[in-house]
Amino acid sequence: DTGVSQDPRHKITKRGQNVTFRCDPISEHNRLYWYRQTLGQGPEFLTYFQNEAQLEKSRLLSDRFSAERPKGSFSTLEIQRTEQGDSAMYLCASSLRLAGASNEQFFGPGTRLTVL
Amino acid sequence: GEDVEQSLFLSVREGDSSVINCTYTDSSSTYLYWYKQEPGAGLQLLTYIFSNMDMKQDQRLTVLLNKKDKHLSLRIADTQTGDSAIYFCAESIGGGSQGNLIFGKGTKLSVKP
Repeated sequence: DTGVSQDPRHKITKRGQNVTFRCDPISEHNRLYWYRQTLGQGPEFLTYFQNEAQLEKSRLLSDRFSAERPKGSFSTLEIQRTEQGDSAMYLCASSLRLAGASNEQFFGPGTRLTVL
Repeated sequence: GEDVEQSLFLSVREGDSSVINCTYTDSSSTYLYWYKQEPGAGLQLLTYIFSNMDMKQDQRLTVLLNKKDKHLSLRIADTQTGDSAIYFCAESIGGGSQGNLIFGKGTKLSVKP
């Protein structure tokens, strides 16, 4: 059983460029989450999917950010016109959400984005 | 709004017990979690507790929950150098129905040999 995987692990880009990250959740997990973590902080929630439906978006997710999970399996997070403030670790997590269950979220290794 | 607070640093000697404390604000949180993060890595789920419990033990880990005071603690018995990491407390929001987590800033645990 493989865990959550993310690709790439590191991305360096110039300001104004677009970037896309991919997350592959644990197979059969119906929920997938994106978080952002900056230095010295805990992860901050961005958005989550249940199957292919995007159910919630944080106010942190500006119009430049878009996430998809087209077939209810892997997900992509795209940032358009990157800014230096977008530099952070982007974490993906997945869970098997069942009624009344604990909904433990399992995290991937993250994608570290550096915007120059 | 929702908030989770933790002390930022804790230093212990190898073999001693470590106690990491956390306070949270959302009284509707149904589950509370502890995660461990090593440098440059993602988060590893250590344990969690359901809000109707006051204690949970899992090998060297003991979680205590005081729901009245909204206080959560993680005790690590016989702390080892490999336990050095940042520990995050997290609460689930909206009674668990939403599922997104609110994290504290993390407690950096340093274990001295």
